[in-house]
Amino acid sequence: ETGVTQTPRHLVMGMTNKKSLKCEQHLGHNAMYWYKQSAKKPLELMFVYNFKEQTENNSVPSRFSPECPNSSHLFLHLHTLQPEDSALYLCASSQGDPGGKPQHFGDGTRLSIL
Amino acid sequence: GQNIDQPTEMTATEGAIVQINCTYQTSGFNGLFWYQQHAGEAPTFLSYNVLDGLEEKGRFSSFLSRSKGYSYLLLKELQMKDSASYLCAVMDSNYQLIWGAGTKLIIKP
Repeated sequence: ETGVTQTPRHLVMGMTNKKSLKCEQHLGHNAMYWYKQSAKKPLELMFVYNFKEQTENNSVPSRFSPECPNSSHLFLHLHTLQPEDSALYLCASSQGDPGGKPQHFGDGTRLSIL
Repeated sequence: GQNIDQPTEMTATEGAIVQINCTYQTSGFNGLFWYQQHAGEAPTFLSYNVLDGLEEKGRFSSFLSRSKGYSYLLLKELQMKDSASYLCAVMDSNYQLIWGAGTKLIIKP
């Protein structure tokens, strides 16, 4: 139990579907992150929210749309995805002051695009 | 560009010692993290180094040399449960984590 919960754990969807990934943290942190993890590649930072405000968007295609309604919840809305978007999507949280503060990760959502 | 290098895979024997190296080139430096990730699970925080030297935490130690852009994670008295991927990440001048691709450690009996 890491204090960061992601649902669903697995998701299979067609390219025309719309789905959402959910992340909830119970650690009292105020920064939340979405990462993409592909096999044998470094973690790719997608989005960062600090105190519910988006502070980073690392050139992510618009078919990925984040939402952060409060500092405990983070969503990733998916639409019209491509096969290369199949990956493990990890959510993380940390204290808002980043210096030296580790990020705590959820177990991820394994996404497969048909 | 920013770059983190670590070996793709290593094999070691139960009860032995293994050292996993990480070299980095980043825009600024605000610390280096090591994480452990078992297959299908979340990465979990192991250690943080911001000053040169060795940090020891039980069977695990982490070393940093900022002048050389180099770190290593040392695992002693290896156990089968240590089979996992080990991720090196550097916090750059913008406080963003730059990640290595991870080292898959295989422990053999």
